[in-house]
Amino acid sequence: QLQLREAGPGLVKPSETLSLTCTVSGGSISSSNFYWAWIRQAPGKGLEWFGNVYYTGRTYYKPSLKSRMTISVDTTENQFSLRLTSVTAADTAVYYCARAEAGPRLPTETPASVTLIRDWGQGTLVTVSS
Amino acid sequence: QSALTQPASVSGSPGQSITISCTGSSTDIGAYDFVSWYQQHPGKAPQLIIYDVTNRPSGVSNRFSGSKSGNTASLTISGLQGEDEADYYCGSYTSSSTLVFGGGTKVTVL
Repeated sequence: QLQLREAGPGLVKPSETLSLTCTVSGGSISSSNFYWAWIRQAPGKGLEWFGNVYYTGRTYYKPSLKSRMTISVDTTENQFSLRLTSVTAADTAVYYCARAEAGPRLPTETPASVTLIRDWGQGTLVTVSS
Repeated sequence: QSALTQPASVSGSPGQSITISCTGSSTDIGAYDFVSWYQQHPGKAPQLIIYDVTNRPSGVSNRFSGSKSGNTASLTISGLQGEDEADYYCGSYTSSSTLVFGGGTKVTVL
């Protein structure tokens, strides 16, 4: 059974960089059928998708966050990672890594075709505070 | 892309049916049949319960069903049970190739 687990600092100072890693077990990150995503949820708020990566390294980001974020993949470690720069208190949230899928009849092998989140990690709370 | 619009709360008695609406626009829900629904219990990660408007993943109860009309999608829970008390989020693919979620609906079983 697929498991995803987020890891990283729980506290980040304002203006610094948030870095998280997601370890995938029970399945290969190199599967051609899946994509890998980051979603966050601010305390008491809804879900916010902000980016996908394919095992080839191709990425697709939420436009409003694109300038601050990088998602990368390490197929040898079966991991993918998130970096978010210049964080503020507004970036305080539970961060989820997830396995995603593309919709039928959309272009293949591009993370811009992700239409649903199939499996979720347990989430990790990241607080931005000095 | 603005979030999709859901009612903040919906309630029902055990055994009843309830419906949660999710309103978007012609660039997301109205443009594609790529609406998904997620159930989230307190302190837990969301779980996919409906995808591509009407499909249920393996293992999800057939008491959950989805539909769509125009720019609005709906999730119906029939035979409401205590374990259905949770937050529910809709999601949709958009014409910008992004995913957008609703603000969430808290379901209370009376």
